[in-house]
Amino acid sequence: EIVLTQSPDFQSVTPKEKVTITCRASQSIGSSLHWYQQKPDQSPKLLIKYASQSISGVPSRFSGSGSGTDFTLTVNSLEPEDAATYYCHQSSYLPITFGQGTRLEVK
Amino acid sequence: QVQLQESGPGLVKPSETLSLTCTVSGGSIRTFCWSWIRQPPGKGLEWIGYIYDSGHTNYNPSLQSRLTMSVDTSKNQFSLRLSSVTAADTAVYYCARSPSGRNSFDPWGQGTLVTVSS
Repeated sequence: EIVLTQSPDFQSVTPKEKVTITCRASQSIGSSLHWYQQKPDQSPKLLIKYASQSISGVPSRFSGSGSGTDFTLTVNSLEPEDAATYYCHQSSYLPITFGQGTRLEVK
Repeated sequence: QVQLQESGPGLVKPSETLSLTCTVSGGSIRTFCWSWIRQPPGKGLEWIGYIYDSGHTNYNPSLQSRLTMSVDTSKNQFSLRLSSVTAADTAVYYCARSPSGRNSFDPWGQGTLVTVSS
C-alpha cells in the first residue's frame, strides 16, 4: 500500500500569505496525485488533478507541482475562505490512499 | 451538472450489515467509475472500493471480506453493503465519481453519517 505523508499537519497563516503543503509518497507514483479541499461539514472538493492540472472553477491562486514521490500544493495570496483541511490522494496503485490531511487556519 | 446523493440508515447495530445507496442525477451512471469513501468523525479519508457500470469491482483489502458493492443502471444507482459492523465502522460515508479507477474524484456526494451502536 502506498503511504502518503503530508506536512505540516497544521498551519496557522495570515491572509495574503503564500502557503505550501507537501505530500510525500512511500514509492514513486508518477503524476497520479490529486489535491482536495474540505471545509467543516462539507464533502471534499477537487482542487488539482494529476499533480499540476488545474480544475475549472477553482481559483488560480491554487497550484500544484511535483512528480515521483514529492508533491506540493501552493496557495498564493491566501484568502480567509481558504481555511480548510487539505488532502492529497494517489490513484497510481491500488488500494487508493489519501494523506492524513493538513489543517489550514487563517488568522 | 452531475449530483450524487447517499441514502440509508443512520444507525446500525453492531454485528449487523450497513447498507447505503448512492443515486446519480444529472448524468448517466454508464462509462464512469463509482467509489465509496468514508471518514470517521474528526479523522481522515479512507477509500472503501469502486464499481463500474459493468459491475466490475475493486475493494480495499482491509474491508474486502465484509464488503459487497452493486450497481443498478436502470435506476442510476450503486450500493454498498458492509457486514459484521463494529464501532470502528462509524463514519461519514461519501460516494464519488471518477472517469476510471485511476483518476481523481469529482464530484462527491454530501455524505451520510452512519453510527454503529446498540
